[in-house]
Amino acid sequence: NAGVMQNPRHLVRRRGQEARLRCSPVKGHSHVYWYRQLPEEGLKFMVYLQKENIIDESGMPKERFSAEFPKEGPSILRIQQVVRGDSAAYFCASSPQGDNSPLHFGNGTRLTVT
Amino acid sequence: TQLLEQSPQFLSIQEGENLTVYCNSSSVFSSLQWYRQEPGEGPVLLVTVVTGGEVKKLKRLTFQFGDARKDSSLHITAAQPGDTGLYLCAGAGGGGSNYKLTFGKGTLLTVNP
Repeated sequence: NAGVMQNPRHLVRRRGQEARLRCSPVKGHSHVYWYRQLPEEGLKFMVYLQKENIIDESGMPKERFSAEFPKEGPSILRIQQVVRGDSAAYFCASSPQGDNSPLHFGNGTRLTVT
Repeated sequence: TQLLEQSPQFLSIQEGENLTVYCNSSSVFSSLQWYRQEPGEGPVLLVTVVTGGEVKKLKRLTFQFGDARKDSSLHITAAQPGDTGLYLCAGAGGGGSNYKLTFGKGTLLTVNP
């Protein structure tokens, strides 16, 4: 059984470019969460999605960041016009249900903005 | 804003020693989870504690949830080099949403052979 798959594992972007991070949840999981881990910081919640719906995006910056989880295909976290402060590890997690379900995390995408 | 404070931040011990790490908050959580994270990988869930005062054991690891559900501890007996890693606690149920986890910054444990 494949776990949560994230790609790419490492992504380097210049300031002003776009970054697209992909996440395929565990097979059968319909709940996806994105977390960001900044250097010296704990993991911070960004967004919670179910298929085709954004349930809670309260942790996501209002500008330049967007997320989707289409009916077919992986969940995508998109960062437009990246800045150096966006450099971080971005983790995706999935669960079979919401509310207190254990989260299965991927190995993350490490974004470096130069 | 809910915060989870973990202590110590760093811990370096010799193989065979015992240790305890702590996770404290002023907020009440509906449950608390402990994860271990290896370098370059995502967190892996070790245990979830739900009931105030609950104690769970996982081989040499003992997890306890405080009576008031605001704090937790992880005790490792006879630590081994394979226990080396970043230990994270995460609280669920903050702000009325059980799906949103509040993570501590972690305790980085190094067990020397």
